[in-house]
Amino acid sequence: AQSVAQPEDQVNVAEGNPLTVKCTYSVSGNPYLFWYVQYPNRGLQFLLKYITGDNLVKGSYGFEAEFNKSQTSFHLKKPSALVSDSALYFCAVRDVGSNTGKLIFGQGTTLQVKP
Amino acid sequence: DAGVTQSPTHLIKTRGQQVTLRCSPKSGHDTVSWYQQALGQGPQFIFQYYEEEERQRGNFPDRFSGHQFPNYSSELNVNALLLGDSALYLCASSPQRGWDNEQFFGPGTRLTVL
Repeated sequence: AQSVAQPEDQVNVAEGNPLTVKCTYSVSGNPYLFWYVQYPNRGLQFLLKYITGDNLVKGSYGFEAEFNKSQTSFHLKKPSALVSDSALYFCAVRDVGSNTGKLIFGQGTTLQVKP
Repeated sequence: DAGVTQSPTHLIKTRGQQVTLRCSPKSGHDTVSWYQQALGQGPQFIFQYYEEEERQRGNFPDRFSGHQFPNYSSELNVNALLLGDSALYLCASSPQRGWDNEQFFGPGTRLTVL
């Protein structure tokens, strides 16, 4: 069965410092990986995706993610955190067993950026 | 260009009642997926509609049903509501072509079952 794990419930970082939100996956075959962000009382907003190609993927709002096949990880990163980055972040993997694009989400990681 | 819209924003029901949630996909999108996000959890896939038919279903009971209209909008119906159905219900749309593209999510409907 395919799955995604986000090992940290919460990540705290000071404004201006680099941030990393961790994600590991388990899939059979090549993974299609996504990061979404959710602000309070809002839906999910797409940040970035990895389908194939370069292992370093650049996305919205200065975020990037590094795909590491040997470690089955897809960690989200940003060089300099902003207070406005504080939100709930979800890693997701496409269900390769279907052709519908069904997403399997992790449990989410709350990012808290302090001034 | 309007994104994915959902109605209503909030809904309060009592156990045993039935509820209908609505979703309009992003312009140009013909595929609609529904997800349930319980408090403190990641979204869970309920089902997906394309060409007015259910294409795939997640691990949800038959109490959960849906419909897609010719204009691609969709409804999610839940019968015989249980307390455990309280959640944020998210609608996501995508184009059928290029199914590996990202899904666009609506703001969700917060359902509370008392």
